[in-house]
Amino acid sequence: DVVMTQSPLSLAVTLGQPASISCRSSQGLVHSDGKTYFHWFQQRPGQSPRRLIYQISNRESGVPDRFSGSGSGTDFTLKISRVEAEDVGVYYCMQGTHWPPYTFGQGTKLEIK
Amino acid sequence: EMQLVESGGGLVQPGGSLRLSCVASGFTFHHYWMDWVRQAPGKGLVWISRIDSDGSGTSYADSVQGRFTIFRDNAKNTVYLQMNSLTLEDTGVYFCVRDHYGFDYWGQGTLVTVSS
Repeated sequence: DVVMTQSPLSLAVTLGQPASISCRSSQGLVHSDGKTYFHWFQQRPGQSPRRLIYQISNRESGVPDRFSGSGSGTDFTLKISRVEAEDVGVYYCMQGTHWPPYTFGQGTKLEIK
Repeated sequence: EMQLVESGGGLVQPGGSLRLSCVASGFTFHHYWMDWVRQAPGKGLVWISRIDSDGSGTSYADSVQGRFTIFRDNAKNTVYLQMNSLTLEDTGVYFCVRDHYGFDYWGQGTLVTVSS
């Protein structure tokens, strides 16, 4: 199984400041079709997860452009350019290249300092 | 508007069974793979099972293989998760998820509590 390792596991950020979350996979995530099925999810308190970023760097419709994804191979990053109060929650990375099983990172809890 | 509405959760004793349902609306259900993802209380997300668009192919996490069965009725826009031989470790919120090159839409979840 592909192991997804996130860091940090918790993050306290001042409003308006940037934030960055890393995710490393135990093997490369390029599929045989040439695509990389690596995604980022946000789970606000008391809510279901929602996908923010798909295939490394593509924002879902309605996701603010302060969120961006980057990376390749086994190392990926989610960046928030200016943290807002509504960004509080837990962020998960996930790989869908080598399945079953699909695997998630442990989650990174973002709080406001 | 796209919706996934889960039901069927509840309190069950160890060794018991439950069947979860997820009714989809707002999209062409039979075009999409569907999955179930579990979240234990205060914990992270764990993929449980997947079914392809016509129901002919399924996959399971090792932790539920042989105990859980995923199936769907495309005429009813519904995907199910039959859960047998439940253990304490199966406790959690079960999310129904549309799988379009990844998990693009999630339901609100249904809580399953396994306890004696």
